[in-house]
Amino acid sequence: GENVEQHPSTLSVQEGDSAVIKCTYSDSASNYFPWYKQELGKRPQLIIDIRSNVGEKKDQRIAVTLNKTAKHFSLHITETQPEDSAVYFCAASPYNNNDMRFGAGTRLTVKP
Amino acid sequence: DTAVSQTPKYLVTQMGNDKSIKCEQNLGHDTMYWYKQDSKKFLKIMFSYNNKELIINETVPNRFSPKSPDKAHLNLHINSLELGDSAVYFCASSQVGELFFGEGSRLTVL
Repeated sequence: GENVEQHPSTLSVQEGDSAVIKCTYSDSASNYFPWYKQELGKRPQLIIDIRSNVGEKKDQRIAVTLNKTAKHFSLHITETQPEDSAVYFCAASPYNNNDMRFGAGTRLTVKP
Repeated sequence: DTAVSQTPKYLVTQMGNDKSIKCEQNLGHDTMYWYKQDSKKFLKIMFSYNNKELIINETVPNRFSPKSPDKAHLNLHINSLELGDSAVYFCASSQVGELFFGEGSRLTVL
C-alpha cells in the first residue's frame, strides 16, 4: 500500500516568514495529493490539493508543488500569520479515493 | 446543516467494555471511512467503504467491526476495549477528491 512520509515534524517560523513542508509517497498509482490543516481540537480541513497532471497550484498565500518523477510534493505558505499555526497533513491517494493515506503531520508554530 | 456527523463526541469507558460510534453523512457521497488519530496526531486509516461494501480493512484487530447499513451511514463497534484504543476516531466521506471529516469522537479507556 501507499506510504507517505512528511518532514519536518515541527516547524517554527516568525510571522511574515515562509514555511515549507515536504512529503514523499511510494505508490506510483497515487494521483491525488491534498493538504489538510487541523487546528487544536478541530477536524482536519482541506486547504489545497493537486492532481498529478499539474505541477503547481497556488491559492493566495498557499502553494503546492508536485514532482511526480521523484514522488514528492511540497506545501509552501508565504507571509505566515499566527492563525496559520496548526498541524498540517499531506496525503496521497488514487483519485477514486478509496484509500487515502496521510503523512505523520507537521506542527507549524508562527510566532508573532 | 452538518455534512458529516458522528456521535458521541466523547466516550469514557472501562477496559473490557463494548462501545459504538455512529456516523452519518448527508453529502450523497459513495465512500466513507474511519480514521484513528492517536496522541501523536497520526491519522491512520482503519476502514473504507464504497456503497456499503468494505474496500479497505487496514490490519485492524477484529475487535473493531464496522457496519454500513446504507451508503449514508458507517458505524464502528469496538469489543473488549483496551487502553491502547484510546484515541480520537474520525469518520469521513468523499466522492472524488476531498475528504470531509466529522468532528471526531474522543474515546478514553480507563
